[in-house]
Amino acid sequence: DGGITQSPKYLFRKEGQNVTLSCEQNLNHDAMYWYRQDPGQGLRLIYYSQIVNDFQKGDIAEGYSVSREKKESFPLTVTSAQKNPTAFYLCASSIRGQGFSNQPQHFGDGTRLSIL
Amino acid sequence: QKEVEQDPGPLSVPEGAIVSLNCTYSNSAFQYFMWYRQYSRKGPELLMYTYSSGNKEDGRFTAQVDKSSKYISLFIRDSQPSDSATYLCAMRVDNAGNMLTFGGGTRLMVKP
Repeated sequence: DGGITQSPKYLFRKEGQNVTLSCEQNLNHDAMYWYRQDPGQGLRLIYYSQIVNDFQKGDIAEGYSVSREKKESFPLTVTSAQKNPTAFYLCASSIRGQGFSNQPQHFGDGTRLSIL
Repeated sequence: QKEVEQDPGPLSVPEGAIVSLNCTYSNSAFQYFMWYRQYSRKGPELLMYTYSSGNKEDGRFTAQVDKSSKYISLFIRDSQPSDSATYLCAMRVDNAGNMLTFGGGTRLMVKP
């Protein structure tokens, strides 16, 4: 089945530690996105990538880093510089196009990150 | 003020009721509107995708957009306990970036 796989489902971070969240898609989508979701808040965009080897900062990129070396993969690293990393992290992907053909984003099932 | 406002709820209704979920927004450039359903500890799932003003129906779900009032709605007919979830509205402008702006979500509980 085509879809977006995020791993792990749960992750714990120690003080001063970097952790990496995995996101893999087999939908052949060009664009991929990382969001952060906090209780009672909407999704906030961390980083996005429209094409391999290119990515852009979203609204809350500080303390995070990404890479896009393969079309299928868009890992997110939560660095020690992110002082409040506890949240639900969602990865999404979409087809690139114009107008209505710019299809909506489809999401993985998320990774819940907590501080030890 | 947030760009997209959504009542967080929770909204509690009996099984079989008609549910109305709403979002208001401030950016008149938004052209594409989406509703996502999110179950607990899961990712959002796309329910409806519409362009500009008007209605769109899909089974028990109807999405309505009123651009003049900057107001969108999702109606659920014959609501079921399995509809209990958080509903997120999302919208974007008409460009190639496909960047979405989300509401905070409304939590719906349908009681048997």
